[in-house]
Amino acid sequence: QLHLQESGPGLVKPSETLSLTCTVSGGSLNTHYWTWIRQPPGKGLEYIGYIYYSGIINFNPSLKSRVSISVDTFRNQFSLNVSSVTAADTAVYYCARRGGNSYSAYYLDVWGKGTTVTVSS
Amino acid sequence: EVVMTQSPVTLSLSPGERATLSCRASQTVSSSYLSWYQQKPGQAPRLLIYGASTRATGIPARFSGSGSGADYTLTISSLQAEDFAVYYCLMDYNLVFGGGTKVEIK
Repeated sequence: QLHLQESGPGLVKPSETLSLTCTVSGGSLNTHYWTWIRQPPGKGLEYIGYIYYSGIINFNPSLKSRVSISVDTFRNQFSLNVSSVTAADTAVYYCARRGGNSYSAYYLDVWGKGTTVTVSS
Repeated sequence: EVVMTQSPVTLSLSPGERATLSCRASQTVSSSYLSWYQQKPGQAPRLLIYGASTRATGIPARFSGSGSGADYTLTISSLQAEDFAVYYCLMDYNLVFGGGTKVEIK
C-alpha cells in the first residue's frame, strides 16, 4: 500500500527558505505526478504545484516565483522549497500523489498526514 | 485565472437529510479535472469523487457527483454522522481549490 510521509523543520525564520521532503513507500516515483498542497490555520486548501519524475513541473502562479520542487527517484523522495518566507507561509503542508492520466482524469488520491510549518522569529 | 466558488459556505443539516453542495467555476472547465474531497478536523483530505462523477475506491454510494461546463454538484443522499466535515472541490488543470463547504449538524 502506498504511503507518503512529510518531514522537515517545524519552525522557519522569516526571509529564510522552507524545505520539506516527502518520502514515498510502497511504490515507485517513476509513475504518476507528485504534488504539494498547503493549508493555513483555519483556512482552505492551496495547491502549490506538482512534478513528474521526468522533470515536468507545474506551479500555482501565485507562488511560482518562490517555489521549487524536485524529485529523487533513488531515494523515492520529492522535495519542496519555498524561499523568502513570511508569516503567510505558516501552514500544514501536505504531499500527495496525483493519480489518473490524461485519457481519463486527474485527482489527488493518496495523501500524507501533513506537517505543520510555522514561520516566526 | 480560474476561480472555483463553493456554496454555501456552511450547510446545517440533520442526519438522514440530503446535502447538495455546489462548485462553480469562473469559466468553462474540463470535468475530467474536477474532483471532490472530504476533510475532517486534524486529518488530511480524502478523495471522494473524480472526473466530476466517478466515486473513488471505497467511497459509499450515498456520495455522488454531477455537472459539466462551469457548474458541479456533490450530493450526499442521506447524511450519516461521519459525513459532517468540510468538502472541497478541485480543478486540477488550473491547480485551484474551491473555498470549501462545511457540513455541520443542525
